[in-house]
Amino acid sequence: QQPVQSPQAVILREGEDAVINCSSSKALYSVHWYRQKHGEAPVFLMILLKGGEQKGHEKISASFNEKKQQSSLYLTASQLSYSGTYFCGRNTQGGSEKLVFGKGTKLTVNP
Amino acid sequence: DVKVTQSSRYLVKRTGEKVFLECVQDMDHENMFWYRQDPGLGLRLIYFSYDVKMKEKGDIPEGYSVSREKKERFSLILESASTNQTSMYLCASSYGPRNSPLHFGNGTRLTVT
Repeated sequence: QQPVQSPQAVILREGEDAVINCSSSKALYSVHWYRQKHGEAPVFLMILLKGGEQKGHEKISASFNEKKQQSSLYLTASQLSYSGTYFCGRNTQGGSEKLVFGKGTKLTVNP
Repeated sequence: DVKVTQSSRYLVKRTGEKVFLECVQDMDHENMFWYRQDPGLGLRLIYFSYDVKMKEKGDIPEGYSVSREKKERFSLILESASTNQTSMYLCASSYGPRNSPLHFGNGTRLTVT
């Protein structure tokens, strides 16, 4: 039922790029992305609706591939503050507003 | 700013006790959610409510029930707490449509001994 995120973990040096993928077995209506820092609540990053649009937030952007039922989060020129666990959540076509999250991707950015 | 407040940050209960976790939001949001977070398992949806007295089961509702008598308050009830319900519990709320972001509370760390 949960969307599948990959990779499970990634370690970067400051300034490097990363991609986090989120795949669903169910037809997607929207995909949400959140970041959670250690000991804190998850914080909203962005929402993508079906249609393949790409959205951006500072140096973090995301895409939504409706055919593949997949979303990807792109982190460009990573900063130390990007460290945390990233979660994707999905709403399904014809479904309700309930949001089901993946298991998360732990991102560590080192100096 | 939206504020989602969970009544307790830490809670310790005994096996078999009935446990109430309370969540209040101050932005008149339609939707409220209860998730549990365990290492390696991500955020798993327990229950979701889309209106007062309306609820929908999530992926792991067994052993839990919920109550939403007022729009701003969503309670999670562990009917008979068990050790495998030791976890971090997160409450969230959203405005309404499926393109509305979720706002999370700071969580309740529940330990059942």
